[in-house]
Amino acid sequence: QKEVEQDPGPLSVPEGAIVSLNCTYSNSAFQYFMWYRQYSRKGPELLMYTYSSGNKEDGRFTAQVDKSSKYISLFIRDSQPSDSATYLCAMTARGRGANNLFFGTGTRLTVIP
Amino acid sequence: GAGVSQTPSNKVTEKGKYVELRCDPISGHTALYWYRQSLGQGPEFLIYFQGTGAADDSGLPNDRFFAVRPEGSVSTLKIQRTERGDSAMYLCASSLGTSGANVLTFGAGSRLTVL
Repeated sequence: QKEVEQDPGPLSVPEGAIVSLNCTYSNSAFQYFMWYRQYSRKGPELLMYTYSSGNKEDGRFTAQVDKSSKYISLFIRDSQPSDSATYLCAMTARGRGANNLFFGTGTRLTVIP
Repeated sequence: GAGVSQTPSNKVTEKGKYVELRCDPISGHTALYWYRQSLGQGPEFLIYFQGTGAADDSGLPNDRFFAVRPEGSVSTLKIQRTERGDSAMYLCASSLGTSGANVLTFGAGSRLTVL
């Protein structure tokens, strides 16, 4: 079993739709949770970062972490064609040795104008 | 520099050849990471440097892979006797490396194709 599971999609939505992206994980030591956006043939860029459980909002984006269920989500409101990309969840544990991120496979999103 | 710079952006080589991929991290970032991303997959950790030393190389797949960071800034990932299965995007990232948050900034990657 992979440490981080993510539905690869692809996911296609009309412009203006609400998008929900999700990941599950198995390692209860994970404390830091991130969402990266990756455009075609580019490196991942950090979109959202959350520590432990709870919600975080930044403009049209909301990240949720439910540590009890080992489940994280990213919501995109009023989706735009420019949001079309692959979204990768990533997470890491806390403390010494927790120096690398564990990524999901990424969900490919297309927002249709 | 303003961001993480990786060269070359694309590398095509033949099976059995030697390859070097270079990473120039953000100025002042002490931590540097190499990841490998295969098509349709998320990045997978290869190696992490704190300063000049490799603090964690547990992700290197075998002894054909080696990385150095001699002056604590630029890093080179070296692959010997390349195999077709080595074809992937090789991503470099850097961070301040001073907390457990590990917020990494990635470069655009070096796409390696082994024929």
